[in-house]
Amino acid sequence: DQQVKQNSPSLSVQEGRISILNCDYTNSMFDYFLWYKKYPAEGPTFLISISSIKDKNEDGRFTVFLNKSAKHLSLHIVPSQPGDSAVYFCAASSPGTYKYIFGTGTRLKVLA
Amino acid sequence: DGGITQSPKYLFRKEGQNVTLSCEQNLNHDAMYWYRQDPGQGLRLIYYSQIVNDFQKGDIAEGYSVSREKKESFPLTVTSAQKNPTAFYLCASSGTAISYEQYFGPGTRLTVT
Repeated sequence: DQQVKQNSPSLSVQEGRISILNCDYTNSMFDYFLWYKKYPAEGPTFLISISSIKDKNEDGRFTVFLNKSAKHLSLHIVPSQPGDSAVYFCAASSPGTYKYIFGTGTRLKVLA
Repeated sequence: DGGITQSPKYLFRKEGQNVTLSCEQNLNHDAMYWYRQDPGQGLRLIYYSQIVNDFQKGDIAEGYSVSREKKESFPLTVTSAQKNPTAFYLCASSGTAISYEQYFGPGTRLTVT
């Protein structure tokens, strides 16, 4: 049972445009969400997080939106740059647990 | 220069042999984690540890063992009982185990033939 889903395995975007990566979850107890960026054969790099008490968090070109009623979060990258080309994972955790559940990732390709 | 180190980067073993993957962190983090990544899949949790001398099974612990004798170190042993050991293994740590971002090491690619 996949509790965290990233239904788009890949996404291509033109340089300078907006990239929108989506993540859906099924467990309503999840209260903290993370986004990671991963290059091949490297460890994931933390990008941005959001707590369930918020619906938006911004950090530079990266913004994460959380829609709790829809159990959906999205990562917006504006403007997209070729260096953003990587696999992006979302992850979620429940209060009082020590585990994060990761999605299967979306491969973003930013075209120059 | 704080971070998480995993060694070696690539590891080759013959089937039937146990192998230990190293993970060290100098971030003074309490919690440490082991994940494995297979092609087309997300990160799956193998084991995690909240404090020294304590660890918990994750979702796919069968065929693996860990120890946490020091705060800085969380080695993972892939035993011969693990049916599909070839994978990319990632170690992570976090400041506290609840609702804080995890920081990952560079990973170890294990190939068993």
